[in-house]
Amino acid sequence: DIQVTQSPSSLSASVGDRVTITCRTSQSVSRYLNWYQQKPGKAPKLLIYAASSLQSGVPSRFAGSGSGTNFTLIINSLQSDDFARYFCQQSYSIPYIFGQGTNLEIQ
Amino acid sequence: QVQLQESGPGLVKPSETLSLSCTVSGGTISSSLYYWAWIRQTPGKGLEWIAHVLYTGTTYSNPSLKSRVTMSVDTSKNQFSLNLTSMTAADTAVYYCARRAPGGVATASSLDFWGQGTLVTVSS
Repeated sequence: DIQVTQSPSSLSASVGDRVTITCRTSQSVSRYLNWYQQKPGKAPKLLIYAASSLQSGVPSRFAGSGSGTNFTLIINSLQSDDFARYFCQQSYSIPYIFGQGTNLEIQ
Repeated sequence: QVQLQESGPGLVKPSETLSLSCTVSGGTISSSLYYWAWIRQTPGKGLEWIAHVLYTGTTYSNPSLKSRVTMSVDTSKNQFSLNLTSMTAADTAVYYCARRAPGGVATASSLDFWGQGTLVTVSS
């Protein structure tokens, strides 16, 4: 199985800040890396697919980068609506595995 | 806009089989482009991909659950289903159905539409 390590597990930030979340895979997944946002009691929502493509309707302050084994989600100019949990997921090979998540909290 | 809705029991007894269905609206399940997936979430293990199925019935399952998982598709109802046998307390989770985007680097098999989730508790 390709393991996925996401960091940090939690992050405190303020409105207007720029934050970075990283995801590392145990083997190359090319660009088969996706990012999701989840709010309490809700289903995950796709933000970024194929490492850097913005899902339709997602604000442009979200950006993804990386390939191979190292990936980054950047949120520019944090808004109050962005405080949530974020997950990465590798979809290169079965079983698809998710990162453990990052809780983004208001500082 | 594609929408998915899970249905099934909220409580299952240990050793029994869980049966969940997912009804798809706003799009056809009978597309060769999309697979239809089940994912579950627990506080301890996080998000776990269970399996996904094509409208033909072709299924890919998580090896950790493979012997217990059966998926099926009912194209007449635009619905797909999950059966998970030999349930234990460790299977207590929120179960989500989702649509898997096409494979290939362009869409990276991402999960682009999700149901709201249904909590399944395993208890006698």
